[in-house]
Amino acid sequence: NAGVTQTPKFRILKIGQSMTLQCTQDMNHNYMYWYRQDPGMGLKLIYYSVGAGITDKGEVPNGYNVSRSTTEDFPLRLELAAPSQTSVYFCASSYQDLAKNIQYFGAGTRLSVL
Amino acid sequence: AQSVTQLGSHVSVSEGALVLLRCNYSSSVPPYLFWYVQYPNQGLQLLLKYTTGATLVKGINGFEAEFKKSETSFHLTKPSAHMSDAAEYFCAVSGNNDMRFGAGTRLTVKP
Repeated sequence: NAGVTQTPKFRILKIGQSMTLQCTQDMNHNYMYWYRQDPGMGLKLIYYSVGAGITDKGEVPNGYNVSRSTTEDFPLRLELAAPSQTSVYFCASSYQDLAKNIQYFGAGTRLSVL
Repeated sequence: AQSVTQLGSHVSVSEGALVLLRCNYSSSVPPYLFWYVQYPNQGLQLLLKYTTGATLVKGINGFEAEFKKSETSFHLTKPSAHMSDAAEYFCAVSGNNDMRFGAGTRLTVKP
């Protein structure tokens, strides 16, 4: 049972480069989320999706884009990487809304922008 | 809007001692409260959650937390620490489809 799978695990980008962080889940969850985790700051929600074709901004969406073409996949796109985007990124999913339901997290993508 | 404050970014206990990790929340609606644990180089895993009903919630690995509305607190406890409990712990509050995490508390367990 794979759960939530994120790729890549590590990546180094140069300023201005672009990349896509991949996230896929095999639990048939409707809700998916992207967070970033900075030291001493906890997790901040970037974007979330309540189902295929529907996405919405979280607390810190600037500099990122998402799409949700299928239930399983929720990629996060960085168009013009900046040093401020150096962070650990976590994808999560839940069956229903996050208010009551457990979120299942991937192992994370550690991104450095130099 | 919701917010969470975790008191103490680092807590150190001896093996076998009581673990107490503090969490206070602010919420404009009845809150749902969570504790997650993160082991090195891994994602977060749910320890326990409070939605409604009994205010003392038991979770995995011997942890429990008590929801105290009058104190707006949801502290995490474990009677006897084990070396394997060393990790980072996050308190979270949700409501109105918005979840907020605390900054985390790193627990160290000394032999």
